[in-house]
Amino acid sequence: SYELTQPPSVSVSPGQTARMTCSGDELPKKFAFWYQQKSGQAPVLVFSDDANGPSGIPERFSGSISGTVATLIISETQVDDEGDYFCLSTDSSGNWVFGGGTKLTVL
Amino acid sequence: VQLLESGPGLVKPSQTVSLTCTVSGDSISSGNYFWSWIRQSPGKGLEWIGYIYHSGFPHYSPSFQSRVAMSIDTSSNQFSLRLTSVTAADTALYYCVRVLGAYCRNKPCPTGRFDPWGPGTQVTVSS
Repeated sequence: SYELTQPPSVSVSPGQTARMTCSGDELPKKFAFWYQQKSGQAPVLVFSDDANGPSGIPERFSGSISGTVATLIISETQVDDEGDYFCLSTDSSGNWVFGGGTKLTVL
Repeated sequence: VQLLESGPGLVKPSQTVSLTCTVSGDSISSGNYFWSWIRQSPGKGLEWIGYIYHSGFPHYSPSFQSRVAMSIDTSSNQFSLRLTSVTAADTALYYCVRVLGAYCRNKPCPTGRFDPWGPGTQVTVSS
C-alpha cells in the first residue's frame, strides 16, 4: 500500500524557519496537504498546494515540492506552532493517505 | 458548520460498531462537500477510512473495504459509519470530517481540504 514518510521529530528555535518533509512516490503528480494537531485537539489544515476554495491559511505557513518530497515551511516559528504535523495526499487510485506525522518542538 | 460524533464507546471483539455524525449549522446536502471518517490510534497515527457524497456513492480505503459501510441521512443531517468484526486494533478516536469537493472531469471529487473536524468519539474494543 502507498505510504507517505515523515521524520518523527523536528526542533527549531523561536523566530527561525522550520522545515518538515513528506516523501511519497505519487507526490510529483498529486497535491499535498498539511495538518497541524495540538495536544488533545483535532487536526487543522495549515497548508494546501491546490487551488480549490478560499485560503484562510496563515501566511507564515508555506510549502514546496521537489521530486517526491513535499516540504512544509513555517517562517518566524512561534512557541504556539508546537504540535504534530501530518501530510496528506492520495495514491494513484484516489485513496487518501496520511503520513506518520512529525512532532515539532520550538525551544 | 459543526460536526459531532456519537457512538457506544465500548464494543466487544467480533461485534459491529456503529457511529453517527450529526452536522449542524448547514445542510449536509448543500454545496459540493464529501463527508469522511478518519481515526487515530497511538500506534498508527491518522487513518482515512472513507468518504461519502451527499447523494451517496461511498468510497472506502482498501484497508477497510471488506468490513466498512457508510451511509448518509439528509433528512436528519447525519452520516454514519458501520465497522464489522472489530478487534483490539480498531480501538481508536474516530473523527467525522467535512471535505471540500471540486470537479474532476465534470464529476464531484474530494480535495484534501478536510475541515471542519468533529471532536472525535473514542471507541474501545475489549471483552
